[in-house]
Formats: sequence, structure tokens, C-alpha cells
Amino acid sequence: GAGVSQSPRYKVAKRGQDVALRCDPISGHVSLFWYQQALGQGPEFLTYFQNEAQLDKSGLPSDRFFAERPEGSVSTLKIQRTQQEDSAVYLCASSPYAGRRGNTIYFGEGSWLTVV
Amino acid sequence: DQQVKQNSPSLSVQEGRISILNCDYTNSMFDYFLWYKKYPAEGPTFLISISSIKDKNEDGRFTVFLNKSAKHLSLHIVPSQPGDSAVYFCAASNAGGTSYGKLTFGQGTILTVHP
Repeated sequence: GAGVSQSPRYKVAKRGQDVALRCDPISGHVSLFWYQQALGQGPEFLTYFQNEAQLDKSGLPSDRFFAERPEGSVSTLKIQRTQQEDSAVYLCASSPYAGRRGNTIYFGEGSWLTVV
Repeated sequence: DQQVKQNSPSLSVQEGRISILNCDYTNSMFDYFLWYKKYPAEGPTFLISISSIKDKNEDGRFTVFLNKSAKHLSLHIVPSQPGDSAVYFCAASNAGGTSYGKLTFGQGTILTVHP
């Protein structure tokens, strides 16, 4: 498809397990964002990549969270030693621009993580 | 602290009537505001935006109003249709912070339009 693709769509992890969430942005998009959306809340910014450079990781909640985009296309969000409070929808978004164009940020459907 | 707030968790409206969704913000550095619409099991999709240099932006049935002095914006949908039933998120960005469109979202309002 032509949109932002995320996998897995649904993941159940046991507490303490490591998880990896994948994002395939729209082809050619320069910017890539990760957001975390807890139940009943709005999305919260986690991190931003411009091509392969991670320019902002100020939203990552702890050092258990790590994101990479080594070739400037696909990105992976890794959560180590998952805890129950990590249960959320993880949204990936991409934009063709490096600068600010608010209406050109396209979101994926999200990866639903449940930690039991 | 919640810099963008949507104080109404839900709104129910009759088809054909006006829907008004409200949003308040606290950060005076925000200069660009957006509304996103989200259906269940889908990602948010862009609906309409407004720059802080304007007080109104209209796109078909959707109009966004910005009151900078009150740090308040609203989304009007006229006439409302059952297909408008979704979660609506208000979001803001700060030109003085980052240049790449980092968004701060409100908690969302569930809109239900009854036939």
C-alpha cells in the first residue's frame, strides 16, 4: 500500500520481555515520528528522525526505549524489559518534508502493545 | 503538565445540527494548530489546521476558530453527518521549539452523530 505501514498490529508481551515494533514509512519521506498513545489519551511524542539521524529523543520515557532508522527508511522502536505501563498504541508517522508542514504528517494504524 | 486540553470526553449531536468541539492550550509559544480525526483501529488523519496569524479557517463543512487571547480553539462541523462519528484530537506545534512539526495532542473528544 501507499500509506505508513506498521507491524505487528497487535502484540501481547509478558512483563520483562523485549519487543520490537517496525515502521515502514511512505517511500521517500524524510521525516519519521514515533508517538505513544495510552488508553483514553492523545498521542504523545516519543522521538523524531530526519533521514537516518535521530534529532530528538526527548519523549522516550526511559532508557528501556530505543529507536533506530539506520538507512533512513524503515524504523524500529525497541522496548526492553517491558512493564505494564508500556501498554499502549505505538503510532508511527512520516512526512515528505524536513521542515514543518503540519498537514503533511501521515500516521500509520499503530501497533497495539499489551504487557501482561 | 497537559499543555493541550480537550475538556469534553464526548459529544452527542443529531444529524444535520452543528457539532462544536473545544480545545484549550497553555503554551503561548504554540503557533500552529491542527485537528485530527481518528476512527477505531486506524491512525489519526489530518482534518484542518490554522496558523496563529489567523482567527478562522474554513474547509467545506469544517471551520476552525482560534482565540489567541483566550488560548482557545474550536472546531465547528455543519451540518453534522453520521460518518463524522469518530474521535477528534486537537494538536499544536511550536515554531520556537522545533522546526520539524513535533505535535502536542489533547486527550480527544468522542463525537457521535445520531441519524
